[in-house]
Amino acid sequence: GDSVTQMEGPVTLSEEAFLTINCTYTATGYPSLFWYVQYPGEGLQLLLKATKADDKGSNKGFEATYRKETTSFHLEKGSVQVSDSAVYFCALSDRGFNKFYFGSGTKLNVKP
Amino acid sequence: ETGVTQTPRHLVMGMTNKKSLKCEQHLGHNAMYWYKQSAKKPLELMFVYSLEERVENNSVPSRFSPECPNSSHLFLHLHTLQPEDSALYLCASSRDSGGVTGELFFGEGSRLTVL
Repeated sequence: GDSVTQMEGPVTLSEEAFLTINCTYTATGYPSLFWYVQYPGEGLQLLLKATKADDKGSNKGFEATYRKETTSFHLEKGSVQVSDSAVYFCALSDRGFNKFYFGSGTKLNVKP
Repeated sequence: ETGVTQTPRHLVMGMTNKKSLKCEQHLGHNAMYWYKQSAKKPLELMFVYSLEERVENNSVPSRFSPECPNSSHLFLHLHTLQPEDSALYLCASSRDSGGVTGELFFGEGSRLTVL
């Protein structure tokens, strides 16, 4: 079945460091891919998405490219801020119905 | 109010209690979901409702009973829970009712502790 695997955390970085959070997926069809972010005490909110191969999603300085050949959707940011500290979830959605499959989340801690 | 609202935010209950979680969405969406979030585990999809009909039940124990009286409200009725059911329960909604992928909008969650 469909699934998402993302790197375990926590990831601890200094402010202005480069961020990569790895995400790979398994899917039988042609899914859409998402990154969601959960700030402390809040629900998940969409950060970015890509709906087909080679698409790049971007938002708030974060980027991720849908790589069909490597079944990956890694999240990157060139210079992280303390306010980026949160838990990041990679997810996919299949085409049959709105079934979303989430990874286990990666906690990011950014230190000043 | 806007978005997805969940109440209560925190709930502590004994194993013999009966309680309910409530979710309300003000987005005009057609689909609503319950997810369970446990530490270091993927979000677990529990139930999906589309246009007030249950379309997904992911092998959830019967001690969890969902109810969707209309497209804006979703409940999760809880009875005779176990300590391992302690988790953050997230409600979400989406515009699409099927066949088209879309974005999920989440509430802030209800933190459940079972003693």
